[in-house]
Amino acid sequence: KAGVTQTPRYLIKTRGQQVTLSCSPISGHRSVSWYQQTPGQGLQFLFEYFSETQRNKGNFPGRFSGRQFSNSRSEMNVSTLELGDSALYLCASSLPPEPEAFFGQGTRLTVV
Amino acid sequence: GNSVTQMEGPVTLSEEAFLTINCTYTATGYPSLFWYVQYPGEGLQLLLKATKADDKGSNKGFEATYRKETTSFHLEKGSVQVSDSAVYFCALSERQGAQKLVFGQGTRLTINP
Repeated sequence: KAGVTQTPRYLIKTRGQQVTLSCSPISGHRSVSWYQQTPGQGLQFLFEYFSETQRNKGNFPGRFSGRQFSNSRSEMNVSTLELGDSALYLCASSLPPEPEAFFGQGTRLTVV
Repeated sequence: GNSVTQMEGPVTLSEEAFLTINCTYTATGYPSLFWYVQYPGEGLQLLLKATKADDKGSNKGFEATYRKETTSFHLEKGSVQVSDSAVYFCALSERQGAQKLVFGQGTRLTINP
């Protein structure tokens, strides 16, 4: 079956702009979580959605937001982009109560 | 809070060598433990998991045992191949049923032919 799909794969944005990233989970998976990966900070949890509700949130500013749709697809939005937001953004889906998460290939965001 | 500590990299080995990548964790309760692998330009692939003490996860020749007494989950492989070159991440899930993974800093592994 199809894995986790993230679009787009690459993005270049200018400081101050906003961006929306998309994630389609594995069919049947209702939990979607987002992570930011940078060389300096490593992998950091952003938030998790389950059945359209944010269930868990990491320590990121309010400029980072997300949502989940009734078909479990999820989007994350970053407003007022800063240079430090340049990162690989990874989406993962899971089927609670199974603990493992399956990741997409990520969206590489570059802010210039 | 919960945390994961991995051995510092990079690690360079010759083909067919024995591999160990150390991982220790700090957590309240009984987390599930994972190893993920990341190839260049890719996302994370789940390599193996263990959900309770003394469980051994295994996949593709890799193994790791959940040791509660030493809070460790070391990754081992008896004979590495060039294709095993990648970055390896140890991770724990903070609580059952809710997806929040805490990752180690990653260990870059290079295997020379």
